[in-house]
Amino acid sequence: GENVEQHPSTLSVQEGDSAVIKCTYSDSASNYFPWYKQELGKGPQLIIDIRSNVGEKKDQRIAVTLNKTAKHFSLHITETQPEDSAVYFCAARTPNAGGTSYGKLTFGQGTILTVHP
Amino acid sequence: GAVVSQHPSRVICKSGTSVKIECRSLDFQATTMFWYRQFPKQSLMLMATSNEGSKATYEQGVEKDKFLINHASLTLSTLTVTSAHPEDSSFYICSARRPVNTEAFFGQGTRLTVV
Repeated sequence: GENVEQHPSTLSVQEGDSAVIKCTYSDSASNYFPWYKQELGKGPQLIIDIRSNVGEKKDQRIAVTLNKTAKHFSLHITETQPEDSAVYFCAARTPNAGGTSYGKLTFGQGTILTVHP
Repeated sequence: GAVVSQHPSRVICKSGTSVKIECRSLDFQATTMFWYRQFPKQSLMLMATSNEGSKATYEQGVEKDKFLINHASLTLSTLTVTSAHPEDSSFYICSARRPVNTEAFFGQGTRLTVV
């Protein structure tokens, strides 16, 4: 099955700096890669996602890049703010046996991001 | 984004009792819902995939008789933890997906404590 590795496990930055979190996946059939932000005691919130036919996607201060050949994707947060502090999870979705996109998500181990004022 | 509501947010129960957690998609019909378990400072582990009108598909190692899943309508899935024990204490999270969209939306999670 799919295996997703996420690094680093913790990341501490100063407000205004950039933060980068990286993930690798094992199954070349995976075709959807979302990133989630989880605050303490809450469920994950989708912040950005990318599909396998796209190499980069940006939404204001957040961007995601995908390298299908190397099977890795990264989350980039620019101009970080204290409210960006949370746990971030990457995930990869592999199509089910029928070949549709409705397979299950495999999550990375998570990155605790701390943004210091 | 779409709203997925999970209830209750916190529950404390005695060992040996059963607890039901509800997951509702409030503004869309979800043919597929997922149930996850998350231990402190760990990632989300998929427990089962719930399909409306059919039996849930459980991940390897998850006891189907202990974690009963019912997806009776396109907006509601329930997870019942039967004969709960302290080791079942965890954070349970559901997610729901629209029929024609790959995005998954998560509920707020339920903190289960078994005493």
